[in-house]
Order: sequence, then structure tokens, then C-alpha cells
Amino acid sequence: KQEVTQIPAALSVPEGENLVLNCSFTDSAIYNLQWFRQDPGKGLTSLLLIQSSQREQTSGRLNASLDKSSGRSTLYIAASQPGDSATYLCAAEGNDMRFGAGTRLTVKP
Amino acid sequence: NAGVMQNPRHLVRRRGQEARLRCSPMKGHSHVYWYRQLPEEGLKFMVYLQKENIIDESGMPKERFSAEFPKEGPSILRIQQVVRGDSAAYFCASSPRRAEWGYTFGSGTRLTVV
Repeated sequence: KQEVTQIPAALSVPEGENLVLNCSFTDSAIYNLQWFRQDPGKGLTSLLLIQSSQREQTSGRLNASLDKSSGRSTLYIAASQPGDSATYLCAAEGNDMRFGAGTRLTVKP
Repeated sequence: NAGVMQNPRHLVRRRGQEARLRCSPMKGHSHVYWYRQLPEEGLKFMVYLQKENIIDESGMPKERFSAEFPKEGPSILRIQQVVRGDSAAYFCASSPRRAEWGYTFGSGTRLTVV
């Protein structure tokens, strides 16, 4: 059974810092890995999708990498802004999509 | 494309009543997934459906919960005789096919049982 873990559970940084969020999964037989953002009381917004054959994806200040062999993915956020404050979820899709518990990010002005 | 539409956004039910949550997938998407998010917890898979078929219901509680995705109309998640522990956000996602395009999520239905 796939287990997805995210570290750290919470992170608070000053504006402008570059930061890395970590995601690990136990079963490397995945089709893709997806990063989402969730604002309080809201739904999930897809940020990046990495297919199993890919190593990374980039969108603006976001870069996500995938290493299937080690069961790890990282989300890199460059030049963080207060508007980046949210919970970031990673999800690994195999037979179904399993989510980590999320990293709650606070970017202080 | 209106995206994945869930309604209602908020639903309040008294203990013992029935709750019906609706999900209309994105146009062209034939795969629907339901997830539940308890307060301060992650998303837990409940059920995966295609039109007129339940493919995987391994995450569904054995009693009181059922789901359908009829040939016409939205997918329905039905909770009978609700209890306080059913209070949660219920999210629906859709995809055009398995294992290739990722999921698109709706905004969720927040169920409160009083």
C-alpha cells in the first residue's frame, strides 16, 4: 500500500527566501506525481504534474523534481512571497492517487 | 470549460438525516474520484468510478456510504443517517483517463452534521 510522507509539516520563512518542500513515497511503481496547493477552506489547485518518465517540471517560480528510484519528489519555490502562504500537498498516482498530509507554508512580509 | 463542479458548497444536516453530494466532472472526463478531508488531516481516497461502474471503493466506509456515476447526470456521493464524525470536506476529482493526466479537483462540499 502506497504511503506518502511530506516533510516538514509546517514551515515559516521571511519573504524572498528560496525554499524546498519534500515528499517521499514508498511504492515507486507510480504513473505520475502531482503537487497541489490548498488555501484554507478552499479546494485543491494543481501546480505541477510530473509523469513517471520525467525528472522535473517547472512553472514560473516553481520547480518540482521526481526521483522514482529513491521514492522522492521535491518542490522548490524561488523568491517566496506572502501570497505563497498555503498548504502544499503532493500526491502519487498508482492504482489510485495517495496524498501526503501536506506542508503548511507561511511566508512573512 | 467550467472545471469540476461540486454542489452544494456547504451542507448542514442533523444527525440521522441523509446527505447527497453532487459532482459534475470536467467536459470529456469519464473518471471520477471522491476524497474526504477531515479537519486538520490529509485527503483520504474513498471511491473511483467510471460511467455506470464502481471501479474501486476500497476507501468507502462499509455502511451508510454509497456512490454512483450514472450514464446521464453528475456523480452522487450519498451518506445515510449522518453522524457528527461525517463532518468533513468532500472533494471530487476527475480525469480523462487513468494514470496519465493527473486529477482536476472541484472546490469541495463542506458537510457539517449538527
